[in-house]
Amino acid sequence: DAGVTQSPTHLIKTRGQHVTLRCSPISGHKSVSWYQQVLGQGPQFIFQYYEKEERGRGNFPDRFSARQFPNYSSELNVNALLLGDSALYLCASRAGVDTQYFGPGTRLTVL
Amino acid sequence: DQQVKQNSPSLSVQEGRISILNCDYTNSMFDYFLWYKKYPAEGPTFLISISSIKDKNEDGRFTVFLNKSAKHLSLHIVPSQPGDSAVYFCAASARQGGKLIFGQGTELSVKP
Repeated sequence: DAGVTQSPTHLIKTRGQHVTLRCSPISGHKSVSWYQQVLGQGPQFIFQYYEKEERGRGNFPDRFSARQFPNYSSELNVNALLLGDSALYLCASRAGVDTQYFGPGTRLTVL
Repeated sequence: DQQVKQNSPSLSVQEGRISILNCDYTNSMFDYFLWYKKYPAEGPTFLISISSIKDKNEDGRFTVFLNKSAKHLSLHIVPSQPGDSAVYFCAASARQGGKLIFGQGTELSVKP
């Protein structure tokens, strides 16, 4: 079975632009979470979705938004990009209350 | 406020010996703990987990110990292998399947 997939792998944007990151969960997993990892730190929770409903939001500004589609895939959107948004964005999926499994991440660089 | 802390940024161990990675937490509501391993340019890979109703969980070479009174958990790898060289993150959640709070990571280097 395929694991969690994310696209694109790498992305370069300039300040003020908008970005959309995509995630496909493991087949059968209905929950998707997004995390941001900056260099030298552990991943920070951004959003959690279950059955297309937001179930949790981390301490991130309103420039960050997300949604989950009927097929359980998800998008993370970031508006008005800042240099500090440069990071590895990770998507994780889980089935029910089971362990979260992570995708390879999208490396976002903001210039 | 860092709710999950890994105070050792790095650890170097000889091949075949035991690696012990430590993690402390402050939130007494945490009831589920996990360890992830991460290689550069890859996402974290799940290693092992433990519920707060247990104090030990084993899976092959990996054992996690939980000391609730001390709010401390540790990951033991025996025997250590060069392929174990990676960054290890501990994570905690207040309910199984809830958001994960990660430590800063410990970079393990296993030397042949």
